[in-house]
Amino acid sequence: EVQLVESGGGLVQPGGSLRLACAASGFTFDIYTMHWVRQAPGKGLEWVATFSAAGGSTYYGDSVKGRFTISRDTSKSTLYLQMNSLRAEDAALYYCVKDLSGGDNYFDFWGQGTLVTVSS
Amino acid sequence: EIVLTQSPATLSLSPGERATLSCRASESIGHHLAWYQKKPGQAPRLLMYAVSRRAAGIAARFSGSGTETHFTLTISSLEPEDFALYYCQQRKDWPLSFGGGTEVEI
Repeated sequence: EVQLVESGGGLVQPGGSLRLACAASGFTFDIYTMHWVRQAPGKGLEWVATFSAAGGSTYYGDSVKGRFTISRDTSKSTLYLQMNSLRAEDAALYYCVKDLSGGDNYFDFWGQGTLVTVSS
Repeated sequence: EIVLTQSPATLSLSPGERATLSCRASESIGHHLAWYQKKPGQAPRLLMYAVSRRAAGIAARFSGSGTETHFTLTISSLEPEDFALYYCQQRKDWPLSFGGGTEVEI
């Protein structure tokens, strides 16, 4: 059974940093592309970042480029999102998402999310 | 950036009725489109990918069609559990993007 369990969310001041983690199990982690997608309160879904299984390329949404870094540790089957210089508009529920395959860029399986609140 | 526009914003229907949801892309995306269902307090669920391929475990009453810039998700006969938010998503180009959503309400 596929499981994705996010952690690391919480309250942070504007300008602060957080590192989200996503523990994956139930599938061969290193051959799947993985994503982070967020949903701000009352808003729609927004793609944040992708870690491509093919070659380890990374991709970012324009709103987070230069501030967020996606990475993975295959020995721990864990995906990360390092978030720096956080802004109020980064407040959202952050989902860790498994790709449909190695690099389809369709969001096949979603974790339950971890909540990030940015406020002073 | 490819912008996806969903319409209508809200669709008010009754169980048993047919639902037709639209997603338009700002430029051609071929068949690189997916649909997701989102219910309050739950994670989104992949319904359709590559326009018309149903994801694992998705009921046959869900179908997708379209190409290039105009896409449709059809629910042939609404079940009570189908009342939810629906999002389209393109994977044709970076950045990946979602539409703004259509709420199917009773």
